[in-house]
Amino acid sequence: AQSVSQHNHHVILSEAASLELGCNYSYGGTVNLFWYVQYPGQHLQLLLKYFSGDPLVKGIKGFEAEFIKSKFSFNLRKPSVQWSDTAEYFCAVSPVSGGYNKLIFGAGTRLAVHP
Amino acid sequence: DGGITQSPKYLFRKEGQNVTLSCEQNLNHDAMYWYRQDPGQGLRLIYYSQIVNDFQKGDIAEGYSVSREKKESFPLTVTSAQKNPTAFYLCASSIGGTSGGRGYNEQFFGPGTRLTVL
Repeated sequence: AQSVSQHNHHVILSEAASLELGCNYSYGGTVNLFWYVQYPGQHLQLLLKYFSGDPLVKGIKGFEAEFIKSKFSFNLRKPSVQWSDTAEYFCAVSPVSGGYNKLIFGAGTRLAVHP
Repeated sequence: DGGITQSPKYLFRKEGQNVTLSCEQNLNHDAMYWYRQDPGQGLRLIYYSQIVNDFQKGDIAEGYSVSREKKESFPLTVTSAQKNPTAFYLCASSIGGTSGGRGYNEQFFGPGTRLTVL
């Protein structure tokens, strides 16, 4: 079965620390990859996405992610986090199968950034 | 102001009662989705609809029902058959409901409804 694994359920960092959140998926075919973010009290929103081309993608608010096909990974990174990055982060995968617009989510990582 | 609205924000239900969660979108999207979010489990798909008057079961459809009589509305009913209904429910919509080739239609999410069964 297709699945998405996020390695850390809770991450606590101090401001200015670097962030890397792991994401691995299990699907042998072509996929589109996403990171969504849910700030406290706000809608789930798209942070960045990868469809094809350069495996290093840049998103909003200084986030970036790297697709490593051989490792089935799509890790999220930010060089220096801010208190406002406190949120829950979800990795998601959409298999390119010609079927419906399916989106498979990981369990999420709660990030707390302390000033 | 385009977007997706869900109501109510908080909902309390007694065991054995059915309850309907509202989802409305004014984005003119064809496809709509219902997800359930539980702590430590991410989002799981309950039902989806690619077009008006059509819908399909997702991964966890048991104990839920939906209708899609209008393009802008996709209500979800949590029935008494749902064994563990307390959760956060998210509705989403996208331009299209199929992903041909490399395509994917971004899903936009509503603010959610938190359902608690007493």
